[in-house]
Amino acid sequence: DQQVKQNSPSLSVQEGRISILNCDYTNSMFDYFLWYKKYPAEGPTFLISISSIKDKNEDGRFTVFLNKSAKHLSLHIVPSQPGDSAVYFCAASAGGGADGLTFGKGTHLIIQP
Amino acid sequence: AAGVIQSPRHLIKEKRETATLKCYPIPRHDTVYWYQQGPGQDPQFLISFYEKMQSDKGSIPDRFSAQQFSDYHSELNMSSLELGDSALYFCASSSGANVLTFGAGSRLTVL
Repeated sequence: DQQVKQNSPSLSVQEGRISILNCDYTNSMFDYFLWYKKYPAEGPTFLISISSIKDKNEDGRFTVFLNKSAKHLSLHIVPSQPGDSAVYFCAASAGGGADGLTFGKGTHLIIQP
Repeated sequence: AAGVIQSPRHLIKEKRETATLKCYPIPRHDTVYWYQQGPGQDPQFLISFYEKMQSDKGSIPDRFSAQQFSDYHSELNMSSLELGDSALYFCASSSGANVLTFGAGSRLTVL
């Protein structure tokens, strides 16, 4: 049972436009959400996070939106740049502490020139 | 800045053999996590250690064991290897917060 779902395996966006990556979750105990970016042959790199007490967090070109009632979060990248081409993983945790993160399957974002 | 170091980066073993992966967390990080990512799959949490004690257990097979040593490095021991164990194994560390810093991974191929 996939508790964190990224329903789009891949997404193609033109350079300069907005990229929107979506993530849905089923576990209502999740209270902290993260986005990781992964390049080939490298480990996932932390990008941005959001606590369940917020509905938006912004860091430069990256903004994460959280809709708790819909159990949905999204990552907006604007403007999209060629270096943004990577696999983006949505991850969630419940209660913080030393528990592992639950990851989605990832969305491969391709930025086209 | 120092990152999470994993070794070896690549490992090839045959069925029923044993493999050991090592992880050196970021200095002063007190928690280490192990994840397994199979081909086309999302990273699956295996096990974590906080201050050298096992803190949480995920989908780690009984054939696998792990420990964290006094210098905070961790080792994942895998015995009686099966073809399905072929995967990328990530180690991550954190300093008590939710944000994990991942290593580059160790790719295990079982023939």
